[in-house]
Amino acid sequence: DGGITQSPKYLFRKEGQNVTLSCEQNLNHDAMYWYRQDPGQGLRLIYYSQIVNDFQKGDIAEGYSVSREKKESFPLTVTSAQKNPTAFYLCASSRGLAEDTQYFGPGTRLTVL
Amino acid sequence: DAKTTQPNSMESNEEEPVHLPCNHSTISGTDYIHWYRQLPSQGPEYVIHGLTSNVNNRMASLAIAEDRKSSTLILHRATLRDAAVYYCILRDRRGGADGLTFGKGTHLIIQP
Repeated sequence: DGGITQSPKYLFRKEGQNVTLSCEQNLNHDAMYWYRQDPGQGLRLIYYSQIVNDFQKGDIAEGYSVSREKKESFPLTVTSAQKNPTAFYLCASSRGLAEDTQYFGPGTRLTVL
Repeated sequence: DAKTTQPNSMESNEEEPVHLPCNHSTISGTDYIHWYRQLPSQGPEYVIHGLTSNVNNRMASLAIAEDRKSSTLILHRATLRDAAVYYCILRDRRGGADGLTFGKGTHLIIQP
């Protein structure tokens, strides 16, 4: 089946450690996105990539880094510089046009202890 | 992207129609109106989108006011599975592949 996978579903890390969240899509989409969601809030854009080897900062990029070496993959690293990393992280992809649907993965819930 | 305003929550009964309003008084002529919904602990899913004319699909209908300053998402016969947060989002069709701007959405509660 085509879709977006994120792993793991739940992730626990100690404060001060970097952690990388996985996002893979087999929809042949050019564009990929990372969002963060805090309890009771809407999603906020962290980074997005319109094409391989290119990405742009979203609204809350500080403390995060990404790479886009393959069309199918867009991993997100939450660094120790991120002040409040505990959140629900969602990855999405689309064909790349403004009117296109964004397809979301199931999310990774990160808890930093 | 222009701003949207939605009620924080709405309640409806199962098997009845639901009308979810969205105000977007500063919408521009190139903004698409998108609706997504998010079930608890899941990623959002696309519901419907439109530009000027009313739209129908298997999930819902989208009614767009003539002046485009408001729209209404219509679920024709709500089920318990429709309980979710519904987001109304404007997307400038000139914007390319930048991200979606989510507000807090409307929390739809369905009573059995």
